[in-house]
Amino acid sequence: EPEVTQTPSHQVTQMGQEVILRCVPISNHLYFYWYRQILGQKVEFLVSFYNNEISEKSEIFDDQFSVERPDGSNFTLKIRSTKLEDSAMYFCASRPGDLTDTQYFGPGTRLTVL
Amino acid sequence: QQQVKQSPQSLIVQKGGISIINCAYENTAFDYFPWYQQFPGKGPALLIAIRPDVSEKKEGRFTISFNKSAKQFSLHIMDSQPGDSATYFCAGRATDSWGKLQFGAGTQVVVTP
Repeated sequence: EPEVTQTPSHQVTQMGQEVILRCVPISNHLYFYWYRQILGQKVEFLVSFYNNEISEKSEIFDDQFSVERPDGSNFTLKIRSTKLEDSAMYFCASRPGDLTDTQYFGPGTRLTVL
Repeated sequence: QQQVKQSPQSLIVQKGGISIINCAYENTAFDYFPWYQQFPGKGPALLIAIRPDVSEKKEGRFTISFNKSAKQFSLHIMDSQPGDSATYFCAGRATDSWGKLQFGAGTQVVVTP
């Protein structure tokens, strides 16, 4: 069964450094999402991406964040200058299209900012 | 603004018992209500979902009850098994969104043997 994959599984970085989290959504899916989950808290929406542009973003998704689909398979989340409070699990999700509600989540990348 | 409120925070149930998790929502534009199951170290996985034109949906041992007028919905896990021990999140999605899911705080369910 196709799955969303994410790399790395764990990323440790120093405050102020740039990180890129990578996701490979399920092939032929059209909608892509990033969510984050701070330890012990709920899953929070960051951004949705469709047709090579951001379709919706949350207040969390400020100028320090950016997303890109550099080729036909990868979907990346970049944090330009990481802060301690960016430490969280970041989940990528994808959805087939308009006729399907289900979002399929990847296993996540744990980001630790020191 | 907390769009989806979930309770209880945690739940311990004996094997064979019924687990009940409740959610209340505020946004009347929500038109899709999924429940996700998450095991430690894993991403959330869709368990069951409902739309507001239906008051109940059952899939195996899992049932969603939906009360549109009260803006509440709940997950019932019948005949709970130790393998059901996980964190469960309810969520809502607005009809005018691009799929943005707004999650509840989660309920950690522990099923004892």
